[in-house]
Amino acid sequence: GAVVSQHPSWVICKSGTSVKIECRSLDFQATTMFWYRQFPKQSLMLMATSNEGSKATYEQGVEKDKFLINHASLTLSTLTVTSAHPEDSSFYICSMRPEGRKAGQQPANQPQHFGDGTRLSIL
Amino acid sequence: LAKTTQPISMDSYEGQEVNITCSHNNIATNDYITWYQQFPSQGPRFIIQGYKTKVTNEVASLFIPADRKSSTLSLPRVSLSDTAVYYCLVGDENNAGNMLTFGGGTRLMVKP
Repeated sequence: GAVVSQHPSWVICKSGTSVKIECRSLDFQATTMFWYRQFPKQSLMLMATSNEGSKATYEQGVEKDKFLINHASLTLSTLTVTSAHPEDSSFYICSMRPEGRKAGQQPANQPQHFGDGTRLSIL
Repeated sequence: LAKTTQPISMDSYEGQEVNITCSHNNIATNDYITWYQQFPSQGPRFIIQGYKTKVTNEVASLFIPADRKSSTLSLPRVSLSDTAVYYCLVGDENNAGNMLTFGGGTRLMVKP
């Protein structure tokens, strides 16, 4: 259970193109979803937190007008990289935390479930 | 925020037990300790979570001393497919900030 589907898995496009990445939970609902960026040989860096029905919260240094997040439903969030440039090339990963945990269910503190990431290469 | 510190890398051989320790001196009362595994070009995968003492599942064990200032992920009899980066995160889902902060992780290399 707790499967998160993310696509596309990789994108190569020209500078100036806008790219949309989709993140969907297949067997659970999530009010809150997270978007991360990971550069080669580095750790994951949180970009933004999105809540269904409200505006996303962006981390310091992340341009909200460049990285548009739409949390359309309890099972779908999208990240659009607008007018992408080579410096935006990275590995983008979404995650969700399931809602509605049953009493006594383990683990007690609900972990995140991650998509398999999108490799974005801007030429 | 409860910052975590892990060794940058570790080497092991197939069939050995591997123990990766994470330090989290500033862990708060409500914080849980969660470990993830990440393979190249994939998202992290949940391995195990604990609050205190010992937790065991089908893939790993997690040892947490009484002061909870550190934790040790134990992988029994590793195989080549366990080569990955392992991250420990500390936090409380009701105060999500910590749970979203990835440290540098530990790059485990399993050799034949």
